[in-house]
Amino acid sequence: GAGVSQSPRYKVAKRGQDVALRCDPISGHVSLFWYQQALGQGPEFLTYFQNEAQLDKSGLPSDRFFAERPEGSVSTLKIQRTQQEDSAVYLCASSFLGTGSGDEQFFGPGTRLTVL
Amino acid sequence: DAKTTQPPSMDCAEGRAANLPCNHSTISRNEYVYWYRQIHSQGPQYIIHGLKNNETNEMASLIITEDRKSSTLILPHATLRDTAVYYCIVRPFNNAGNMLTFGGGTRLMVKP
Repeated sequence: GAGVSQSPRYKVAKRGQDVALRCDPISGHVSLFWYQQALGQGPEFLTYFQNEAQLDKSGLPSDRFFAERPEGSVSTLKIQRTQQEDSAVYLCASSFLGTGSGDEQFFGPGTRLTVL
Repeated sequence: DAKTTQPPSMDCAEGRAANLPCNHSTISRNEYVYWYRQIHSQGPQYIIHGLKNNETNEMASLIITEDRKSSTLILPHATLRDTAVYYCIVRPFNNAGNMLTFGGGTRLMVKP
């Protein structure tokens, strides 16, 4: 069945380049989350959308990070002027409603970003 | 501030039960215990969750102590494919858009 997909799976960028990472959630899922996972660490929350509304962006590490979900489906995480510390796996997750009990998040395979 | 504490690693023999402990002594009344796992190079995968009663599904069983300060995830017959990092997470159930707060997890190695 169709799960959460992310593209590209791997991205190598030179320091200072802008990158865009795409997430296709499960069809019909209202909630969409972005997480960042550094090597050897657990994922850390970046931002959350309910449909097209970005309701929580408290985890975005700097103003170089920007996310959007204009039509309430596909989402793009953009990182401007990439730095080496941005190197990580970026995970996208979606859930039907995201209201808590029993509404588990389904994760994509992630995009591994390497900044040289 | 870590809300859960897990051992960093555990080994288990193939075919035996894997018992993964988690301490969550500061858990609130409105928080569930969730378990996810992450197999190498994949995104995390939901396993099970519970509030105060023991729960079982096709993947695992979750045993929560009566005071809710700790829990154990049980994989009854571990296989090599169960080798992964297992995350225990506490999460409130009454707010939309609750993100998952992952700790370090337990790296389970199932050995033949």
